[in-house]
Amino acid sequence: DIQMAQSPSSLSASVGDRVIITCRASQSISRYLHWYQQKPGKAPKLLIYAASSLQSGVPSRFSGSGSGTDFTLTISSLQPEDFGTYYCQQSSSTFAFGPGTKVDIK
Amino acid sequence: QVQLVESGGGVVQPGRSLRLSCAASGFTFSSYAMHWVRQAPGKGLEWVAVISYDGSNKYYVDSVKGRFTISRDNSKNTLYLQMNSLRAEDTAVYYCAKIRADLWADGFDIWGQGTMVTVSS
Repeated sequence: DIQMAQSPSSLSASVGDRVIITCRASQSISRYLHWYQQKPGKAPKLLIYAASSLQSGVPSRFSGSGSGTDFTLTISSLQPEDFGTYYCQQSSSTFAFGPGTKVDIK
Repeated sequence: QVQLVESGGGVVQPGRSLRLSCAASGFTFSSYAMHWVRQAPGKGLEWVAVISYDGSNKYYVDSVKGRFTISRDNSKNTLYLQMNSLRAEDTAVYYCAKIRADLWADGFDIWGQGTMVTVSS
């Protein structure tokens, strides 16, 4: 099975900061990588699909990159509403999620 | 609007069964693969199962193989998860989710609100 790792596990940043979250797969998954944001008590929300495609309605400050085993989610200018936990997910072989990165606003 | 609504959660004793339902509306249900994803209290997301648009293909996470069965009724726009031999570690919020496009390996763009399953004696 393909295992997913994320770093950092948590971070605290200020409004306006550039935030980068990384996701690594245990083997190549091409570009079958998606990013989600989840807020407490809510269902996850799709942000990025296929590594770098912005889901409709998602602000352009969110972007994704990578292929193979290494991927990044970038928030170009952190906003107060961006708090929550971010998960990567691979869909190359079944659909495993990464462990998550919790983002707090300073 | 596009919507998924789960039901069927509750408190159940270990070893017993429960069936979850997910009612879909606002899109052509029969055109999309559908998934179940769960989240134990205070934990991360765990993918559980997927079913193809026509029900012909089904896959499961190892921890539920042989105990859970995913199915769908396209005439009723409803997805199901039959959970047998439940264990304490199955305690979680269960979400149904729609794949974004008619591509097997796509992200999940629509999620239900979740239904809580508690396995406890």
